[in-house]
Amino acid sequence: DTEVTQTPKHLVMGMTNKKSLKCEQHMGHRAMYWYKQKAKKPPELMFVYSYEKLSINESVPSRFSPECPNSSLLNLHLHALQPEDSALYLCASSLGLAGGPGELFFGEGSRLTVL
Amino acid sequence: KQEVTQIPAALSVPEGENLVLNCSFTDSAIYNLQWFRQDPGKGLTSLLLIQSSQREQTSGRLNASLDKSSGRSTLYIAASQPGDSATYLCAVLNTGTASKLTFGTGTRLQVTL
Repeated sequence: DTEVTQTPKHLVMGMTNKKSLKCEQHMGHRAMYWYKQKAKKPPELMFVYSYEKLSINESVPSRFSPECPNSSLLNLHLHALQPEDSALYLCASSLGLAGGPGELFFGEGSRLTVL
Repeated sequence: KQEVTQIPAALSVPEGENLVLNCSFTDSAIYNLQWFRQDPGKGLTSLLLIQSSQREQTSGRLNASLDKSSGRSTLYIAASQPGDSATYLCAVLNTGTASKLTFGTGTRLQVTL
């Protein structure tokens, strides 16, 4: 099973709403990632978790709040977003970070629209 | 700073043709290189991973090569099919950057009947 599952697939929210994106993998991977992708652009790294601890934060605004409750789950909490935050949010996982992360596996993404 | 370029940006070929997608990178101190495909509005599907010590990897009709010294990788697709239509992205992991992939801007491939 090389699957990373993301929910919801689509999300529309107002600028004052609070919502969350969820990501789950059961491959025993210990590194998990959030990427943001705008139309016709490559993905941009947002956060990396290693063994449930935040390893990298690419200077992401605090209106995006990641959480890794256990090794299989990764959440992205959203609050007071701006219309320019509308994008495809991709979750990925890999075996680990030590010695390089190896192959990354991505989910199908959550399409976020901020009104 | 690593820069990854993919040429061409778009490509249209008739079904059955063999084709080559190119990926160039400026910093040869890489740990690995990964090729992905992305269908419109979808996530990324991993196609092939090449470690820096490897020269090529094969999976079915796909073959990826790596020439680290010249900063190039190619993805060869044999006997293309309409189902191969997608955007193909290469991504490079530099040594010392822990886990931050640098993506190319992609090649949008259309295989016509």
